[in-house]
Amino acid sequence: QQQVKQSPQSLIVQKGGISIINCAYENTAFDYFPWYQQFPGKGPALLIAIRPDVSEKKEGRFTISFNKSAKQFSLHIMDSQPGDSATYFCAASGGQGAQKLVFGQGTRLTINP
Amino acid sequence: DAGITQSPRHKVTETGTPVTLRCHQTENHRYMYWYRQDPGHGLRLIHYSYGVKDTDKGEVSDGYSVSRSKTEDFLLTLESATSSQTSVYFCAITGTGNYGYTFGSGTRLTVV
Repeated sequence: QQQVKQSPQSLIVQKGGISIINCAYENTAFDYFPWYQQFPGKGPALLIAIRPDVSEKKEGRFTISFNKSAKQFSLHIMDSQPGDSATYFCAASGGQGAQKLVFGQGTRLTINP
Repeated sequence: DAGITQSPRHKVTETGTPVTLRCHQTENHRYMYWYRQDPGHGLRLIHYSYGVKDTDKGEVSDGYSVSRSKTEDFLLTLESATSSQTSVYFCAITGTGNYGYTFGSGTRLTVV
């Protein structure tokens, strides 16, 4: 089974702190690793994504760190804000054609003001 | 979400009844996907489509069927709903060469 394991399940961070969510994958054929953000009652929305040819990608306060040898990747949210409180999903896919994403179990992030 | 709509948004149905969920897109995207979201499982792929009349199974396809007779519509059918199919169902789209999913707002289905 192609799995992506995500941790922690829930995370509480103080405003201004750094939020870190980790994911590990098994399938070495995966070559696309996105993170999605989901607010209650809404569909997930693409936040940031990385390919394995780079070890880090930064977009504003959001950074993906990627370790190909360990088959792990993580999301770092700098200067976390209450508006970042949401559920975050990592995912992975590989190959040509349809991008059949395999998702992690999700992390519920709460930023305390 | 812009360009993709799901209907209905909420539905309660009885065990054993057929149910059809609809996903409609206005983006003319080639690929469409159905996922279910359950606590502790994230999102799991049910079926996907890579063109009109071209569909294939995902990770959790048992008990579900799909159809795509037009580019813009992708239907998910539960032939005989069971309580284990109580879930939130999301449709997503991607275009050729576009790796980012656009998700619909979801359908919350309760089977009683």
